[in-house]
Amino acid sequence: GAVVSQHPSWVICKSGTSVKIECRSLDFQATTMFWYRQFPKQSLMLMATSNEGSKATYEQGVEKDKFLINHASLTLSTLTVTSAHPEDSSFYICSALEGTGANVLTFGAGSRLTVL
Amino acid sequence: GENVEQHPSTLSVQEGDSAVIKCTYSDSASNYFPWYKQELGKRPQLIIDIRSNVGEKKDQRIAVTLNKTAKHFSLHITETQPEDSAVYFCAASKGTNSGYALNFGKGTSLLVTP
Repeated sequence: GAVVSQHPSWVICKSGTSVKIECRSLDFQATTMFWYRQFPKQSLMLMATSNEGSKATYEQGVEKDKFLINHASLTLSTLTVTSAHPEDSSFYICSALEGTGANVLTFGAGSRLTVL
Repeated sequence: GENVEQHPSTLSVQEGDSAVIKCTYSDSASNYFPWYKQELGKRPQLIIDIRSNVGEKKDQRIAVTLNKTAKHFSLHITETQPEDSAVYFCAASKGTNSGYALNFGKGTSLLVTP
């Protein structure tokens, strides 16, 4: 089946630094990837939709200058949390759309970010 | 935008009993309704899904029903087992109209006690 790899699985950084999270589709091409954020014991909140070769579409309330998304190839999307602050600490999960029209999302394992 | 409500937030059942989780959605254009199971610290896993042209779908002990008129769908787990304990999320998507983005419910923490 489809596999999505996400790296790193966890990261600790100092306040003010930037952190990059990678999301790769290993055995399929993903023209669309999604980035979600999940706080402890809460649901997955869609942050942005990442389309290969074009600018990401951000959900209302998500700062595009703070959460930089790049989808430079059909198998890789990156999320960069810029100037991270403790309130950015969360579980970030990417997902990739498998096949056009399939509506089937495959999730990465998630990246737990802790900002000190 | 789409608003997905999920109930209950927590559910405790005894092994062998059935569990039912209900979701409602607000956008009548939604046409795809998956259910995900998430164990602690792990990624969500798709367990079953249903599209708007079908009223019911079953896969062994798991079934999902959809009522388009009322805009609600439900997950049914029969003969529950302790390994069914996890957080379950429902979701809704409008397909191409939303780029296939999923809007999730807040989740139901299911505990199956032996």
